[in-house]
Amino acid sequence: GAVVSQHPSRVICKSGTSVKIECRSLDFQATTMFWYRQFPKKSLMLMATSNEGSKATYEQGVEKDKFLINHASLTLSTLTVTSAHPEDSSFYICSAPRRDSGGEQFFGPGTRLTVL
Amino acid sequence: GENVEQHPSTLSVQEGDSAVIKCTYSDSASNYFPWYKQELGKGPQLIIDIRSNVGEKKDQRIAVTLNKTAKHFSLHITETQPEDSAVYFCAASMGTGFQKLVFGTGTRLLVSP
Repeated sequence: GAVVSQHPSRVICKSGTSVKIECRSLDFQATTMFWYRQFPKKSLMLMATSNEGSKATYEQGVEKDKFLINHASLTLSTLTVTSAHPEDSSFYICSAPRRDSGGEQFFGPGTRLTVL
Repeated sequence: GENVEQHPSTLSVQEGDSAVIKCTYSDSASNYFPWYKQELGKGPQLIIDIRSNVGEKKDQRIAVTLNKTAKHFSLHITETQPEDSAVYFCAASMGTGFQKLVFGTGTRLLVSP
């Protein structure tokens, strides 16, 4: 099946620093990728839709200047959490729909961010 | 916008029993309804999905039913096994998976041996 990877799987950083999370579609091209955030024992909340070659579309309430998204190629989208604070600590998950699977979204394994 | 409610939040069953999880959605334009299984510390995995032109779909021990009129859909797991223990999420979308998914609140299923 299709595989979506994320890197890193875990990251711990100090407050005020920036962290970049990568999402890669390993065996298919993805013009669209989605970024979600999940708090412990909670559901997935869509943060933004990443579009290859154009600006990301952010959900209401998500600060685009804080969560920078770059979709520079058909297999890679990055999410940068800028000036991270403890409240940004969360599980970040990306997904990518695969065209020849009827648009089924394949999810990455997630990245656990802890901001000290 | 779309809103998806999911019940129950937790479900405990004995091995071999059936488990049913229910979701309702608000937007009648939604036409794609996937179900995901999420294990601790991992990303969600699609287990079954259904589109609005179908009322029921089955894959071995898993089935999903859709009632468009009532705007609800359900996941049925038969002959549950301990490895079925996980958090299950329903979701709704307009169009295919290329459109954003709105997730339900999740159901923690515990299957006891």
